[in-house]
Amino acid sequence: DAGVTQSPTHLIKTRGQQVTLRCSPKSGHDTVSWYQQALGQGPQFIFQYYEEEERQRGNFPDRFSGHQFPNYSSELNVNALLLGDSALYLCASSLALGEAYNEQFFGPGTRLTVL
Amino acid sequence: AQSVTQPDIHITVSEGASLELRCNYSYGATPYLFWYVQSPGQGLQLLLKYFSGDTLVQGIKGFEAEFKRSQSSFNLRKPSVHWSDAAEYFCAVAAYSGAGSYQLTFGKGTKLSVIP
Repeated sequence: DAGVTQSPTHLIKTRGQQVTLRCSPKSGHDTVSWYQQALGQGPQFIFQYYEEEERQRGNFPDRFSGHQFPNYSSELNVNALLLGDSALYLCASSLALGEAYNEQFFGPGTRLTVL
Repeated sequence: AQSVTQPDIHITVSEGASLELRCNYSYGATPYLFWYVQSPGQGLQLLLKYFSGDTLVQGIKGFEAEFKRSQSSFNLRKPSVHWSDAAEYFCAVAAYSGAGSYQLTFGKGTKLSVIP
């Protein structure tokens, strides 16, 4: 059983460009959350997708957007890249259980460098 | 809003010595608390979690943590550290935001170095 997978592993972009990161959840999971981890910091919540809709959003600008597909995989898009967007982007998947918390499983991340 | 503080940025211990990593949280309701470990270039691995019940929780790799509501703390401990424990450790709290959605808030992490 494959865990959470993310692609690509690394990528380099220049300021002003746009980037798309991809995430495949753990088998059986239907919820995907995205986190940004800047160097030397803890992960910060960007947003969460469930049933192909954004269910919750952290304190990130509209340049950050996402999508969830019918197979539960997800994309994170960042427009008009800034130097400060350089970070490790982590995807986590979980299974929605009503109001009960269910463990989030993390992928290895995508390292984005903006020059 | 919820928050997590890890006061120690970097800790160095000798192999075989005991370890305690500190974590303080701020959250208005009963917290769901977690400790994660991250090795270089890797994602996050869950070490242990506290939801309710016994305030001393056991995790993987010989780690344990104690929830102290009066001190708003959830410190991680290990009686004897191994060289392979060198990594970054993150404490987190899960806050419920309605409609079945939980948001994890992490501390800034504590980097653990182990001296042979």
